[in-house]
Amino acid sequence: GAVVSQHPSWVICKSGTSVKIECRSLDFQATTMFWYRQFPKQSLMLMATSNEGSKATYEQGVEKDKFLINHASLTLSTLTVTSAHPEDSSFYICSARSLAQETQYFGPGTRLLVL
Amino acid sequence: SQQGEEDPQALSIQEGENATMNCSYKTSINNLQWYRQNSGRGLVHLILIRSNEREKHSGRLRVTLDTSKKSSSLLITASRAADTASYFCATGDSYNQGGKLIFGQGTELSVKP
Repeated sequence: GAVVSQHPSWVICKSGTSVKIECRSLDFQATTMFWYRQFPKQSLMLMATSNEGSKATYEQGVEKDKFLINHASLTLSTLTVTSAHPEDSSFYICSARSLAQETQYFGPGTRLLVL
Repeated sequence: SQQGEEDPQALSIQEGENATMNCSYKTSINNLQWYRQNSGRGLVHLILIRSNEREKHSGRLRVTLDTSKKSSSLLITASRAADTASYFCATGDSYNQGGKLIFGQGTELSVKP
């Protein structure tokens, strides 16, 4: 099956710093990547949809200047949490799909803790 | 935004029993997908059912879809302790609209040995 990786798997940072999370599709070309966040015991909330080579589309209520998304290649998308604060602590999950796929394939997630 | 409700929110059963989870949604859909998430991990795709399908099977999984009621169910037969996880339904809009998924609230399944 299609494999999606995320790096890092967990990160702890100080308030005010920026954190970059990478999402890679390992064995297929991902024309579209999605970024979600998940709080404990809750469902996934879609943050943004990222198409290769174009600007990301953010969901309502998600600050695009706070969560910078780059999808520069067909196998890599990055999410940068700028000036992170404790309330940004969460589980961030990416998914990827190609034009030929109806299914999204999910990465293992990145746990962010902002102190 | 969330698509709808999943029922029950939590389910605890004994190994060998069947587990049924329900999902309701609000909008018109192209497909509905079920995913499993083990604690603290990513999501694993289980099954996809299209809007023109009523039932689908995959191993011990059986999914039904009733578009008139905007609901779906996931049945896991002969459950195992390894089935313990959270299960989410997700609805997909038209492929041409970017294929984004909207997730339900999830059902936390606990299968006791």
